[in-house]
Formats: sequence, structure tokens, C-alpha cells
Amino acid sequence: AQSVTQLDSHVSVSEGTPVLLRCNYSSSYSPSLFWYVQHPNKGLQLLLKYTSAATLVKGINGFEAEFKKSETSFHLTKPSAHMSDAAEYFCVVSDRNAGNMLTFGGGTRLMVKP
Amino acid sequence: GAGVSQSPSNKVTEKGKDVELRCDPISGHTALYWYRQSLGQGLEFLIYFQGNSAPDKSGLPSDRFSAERTGGSVSTLTIQRTQQEDSAVYLCASSLVGGSGRAMTDTQYFGPGTRLTVL
Repeated sequence: AQSVTQLDSHVSVSEGTPVLLRCNYSSSYSPSLFWYVQHPNKGLQLLLKYTSAATLVKGINGFEAEFKKSETSFHLTKPSAHMSDAAEYFCVVSDRNAGNMLTFGGGTRLMVKP
Repeated sequence: GAGVSQSPSNKVTEKGKDVELRCDPISGHTALYWYRQSLGQGLEFLIYFQGNSAPDKSGLPSDRFSAERTGGSVSTLTIQRTQQEDSAVYLCASSLVGGSGRAMTDTQYFGPGTRLTVL
């Protein structure tokens, strides 16, 4: 079975400061990992994904994430937060042996202060 | 190109009524998924369709829930005798490839969701 734990339900940063959203996963297989973002009253948008290629993955809007197998982590970072980054972020693992069914973390709400 | 679309965007119904939610996947995507997003449960997988294979219904919470996919494209999620705990946002996603052992183009693209409120 696979699972995802997002260690912080809420993160608050000031505009222009770095963002770190933490994610740990558990999977019996080589996982595919994703970060999705959901803005208020909007659908889920893919930020980036890891599929066993480069361990440092770059996504849209300046976000990136590093896959660390030894730590079973896939933390999301951004060097400088922007007001428009305020949203809910989901770390997701895909089970390739179950039709790529997604298992979602509980989500982290990012707040950006001016 | 066009993304995943869902209708209606909002649905308010009375307890005990049946509802149908529709999903139009991205053209050419063979895999289609339904998820539910609710306050108490977060995001949960419901059901998965891949091509003409039998669907994976392992996530459906009760036999009041069913789904079909006609012609390998449009899907309808039906909830019979709705209950207040069915209130949630129902999300549909599609991907180009859903199976294992294939080139990994498994990214799922989500629709905007249908917000269901059961009074």
C-alpha cells in the first residue's frame, strides 16, 4: 500500500521569502510522485512530477522538488514566494500497479503575507 | 486544447434524490478517474476506467455509487438516494496511459469539479 504525509497543514511566509512544503511518502514500488496546486474554487493543476529520471524536478511558476529515496521525501520549494502562490498544495503518489491510481496527501495551505 | 470538463459545476439536491455528474475527458485519453474531495476525508479515489477493460471500483464508498463510461469517452457518476455525507466536490481526471509497464505518460489532468450539496 502507498501513503503520503504532508507534514504541515498550514504554512505562512512573507512575500519574497523562500517556500518549503514538506512531503513524505510510503510506497512498495518505485513511485511516481507529483505536486498539484489548487487555487480557491479552481481545479487541480499539475506543478511538477517525478518519474525516476532526474531527482531534482523543475515545475511551473518557479517551483521545484527533490526526490530523496533514502529519506522517502519529495519536498516542494520555491526561492521567492509571490502573492499569487497562495493556494492549497497536494503531494501525490501514483501506484503504477493499480492503474496509476493517485493517493493524495492531506494538503498544505500556503499563505503569503505582503 | 480543451481540458477535462465537468457538469454541472454546482448541484444542490435533497436527501434521497438521485444525481448524475458528467465528465468529458481530454480527447484521446484512454484512462478516466473519479475522485471525491470532502472536508473530513480529503481527496479520495472512487473509480477508474482504462479503455474497454472492466473498471476498478475499489474506491466506491457504497453500492449507491456507480459510474459508466460510454464509447470510451464521456463518463457519468451516479449517486442514488443521496445522503448528506455525500456532499463534496467530485473531481474527474483523465490521462493518456493508465496501465503499468508502459511508457510513463501517466500524468492525470483534472477537471474543475462538481460541487454537490445534499440538503
